[in-house]
Amino acid sequence: GAVVSQHPSRVICKSGTSVKIECRSLDFQATTMFWYRQFPKQSLMLMATSNEGSKATYEQGVEKDKFLINHASLTLSTLTVTSAHPEDSSFYICSAYGTSVSYEQYFGPGTRLTVT
Amino acid sequence: RKEVEQDPGPFNVPEGATVAFNCTYSNSASQSFFWYRQDCRKEPKLLMSVYSSGNEDGRFTAQLNRASQYISLLIRDSKLSDSATYLCVVSSKSSGDKLTFGTGTRLAVRP
Repeated sequence: GAVVSQHPSRVICKSGTSVKIECRSLDFQATTMFWYRQFPKQSLMLMATSNEGSKATYEQGVEKDKFLINHASLTLSTLTVTSAHPEDSSFYICSAYGTSVSYEQYFGPGTRLTVT
Repeated sequence: RKEVEQDPGPFNVPEGATVAFNCTYSNSASQSFFWYRQDCRKEPKLLMSVYSSGNEDGRFTAQLNRASQYISLLIRDSKLSDSATYLCVVSSKSSGDKLTFGTGTRLAVRP
């Protein structure tokens, strides 16, 4: 199946700093990428949908100025958590969707963010 | 009411047992249905899509009842390696193919 990578896999940062997470589709072009967040023992919650070359669409309750998403190319989307706080500590997972590889969403391995 | 509801479990079963998970969804416009498997601290992986006529993949059988808005997953001859959380997932064209996840049902298979 198609491969999606995320970097970093784990990050610890101090409160108030910003963290950038990269999501790459390695062997296909992803017209759409999704960013999810998962808190312990909870389901994956969609944060935003990003389409290459256009602004991301954020889900209700997700602050677009805090979670900056850039989808500058068909293989790369980035999520920047600005001024991170301990409550932002979570498992962030991206998925990529490209019609050339069927209509399945392929998930990255996730990034575990801990804000101290 | 949650869009996708699942019994969180855990289901503790011995190896070789048959176990069934159920899921209900609230959006009648949902068109695509999936079961994903998620291991601890890992990303979800697609286990199988669910089709209206029901479908089977080895020891796994999925059923869909659109009238009742109900999806099921049956696992036969459970293996230790089946221990994981099973996520019921739905999507609809009207929501732009966004996936909506249930909270998952945890399965623990014991020797």
